[in-house]
Amino acid sequence: GAVVSQHPSWVICKSGTSVKIECRSLDFQATTMFWYRQFPKQSLMLMATSNEGSKATYEQGVEKDKFLINHASLTLSTLTVTSAHPEDSSFYICSASIAGAVSDEQFFGPGTRLTVL
Amino acid sequence: QKEVEQDPGPLSVPEGAIVSLNCTYSNSAFQYFMWYRQYSRKGPELLMYTYSSGNKEDGRFTAQVDKSSKYISLFIRDSQPSDSATYLCAMSAPHRGTSYGKLTFGQGTILTVHP
Repeated sequence: GAVVSQHPSWVICKSGTSVKIECRSLDFQATTMFWYRQFPKQSLMLMATSNEGSKATYEQGVEKDKFLINHASLTLSTLTVTSAHPEDSSFYICSASIAGAVSDEQFFGPGTRLTVL
Repeated sequence: QKEVEQDPGPLSVPEGAIVSLNCTYSNSAFQYFMWYRQYSRKGPELLMYTYSSGNKEDGRFTAQVDKSSKYISLFIRDSQPSDSATYLCAMSAPHRGTSYGKLTFGQGTILTVHP
């Protein structure tokens, strides 16, 4: 149980294009989904938190107009990297917490590796 | 000073050894403590989560929390080559008045268990 999927698993794009990454909770409803970015040999850095049906909350220093987050349902959140540039190349990971759960467990997706040429 | 400090290693041990991984933290508001395992180019996998001070055991893994010292540990007994991965500690505290907790991660410790 508590499986989270991401699509695509990797993507290569040209500078200036936009890329959409999907995050789905497969066997549970997720009240909240989180988006992280991880650079090589570094820890996960939270970018934003999204709740179904409401606007995402972005962490300090994360451009909300560049990283568009939509949480359309209790099982799907999307991250769109707009006008991507080489410095946006990173490993993007989503996680989800179970609706109604007492603890703060987050279940992570397998990640999406973005390379911007 | 980072909220969560974790020695990045790398840590190399022989198969069968007992591994001790540790994190310290400075934020007294942290309520939940977790350990994640992350294989290369994969998402983190939850290993253990604890709420109160004390020990929690699950198979070969034991998580220990000492809130008075702001120190948490993960012990791996009878370590196996398949345990080779990066181990991340994570902690959460109430976030901006909402019901969910934001996770703050340690840097991660790279562990290699060699046959």
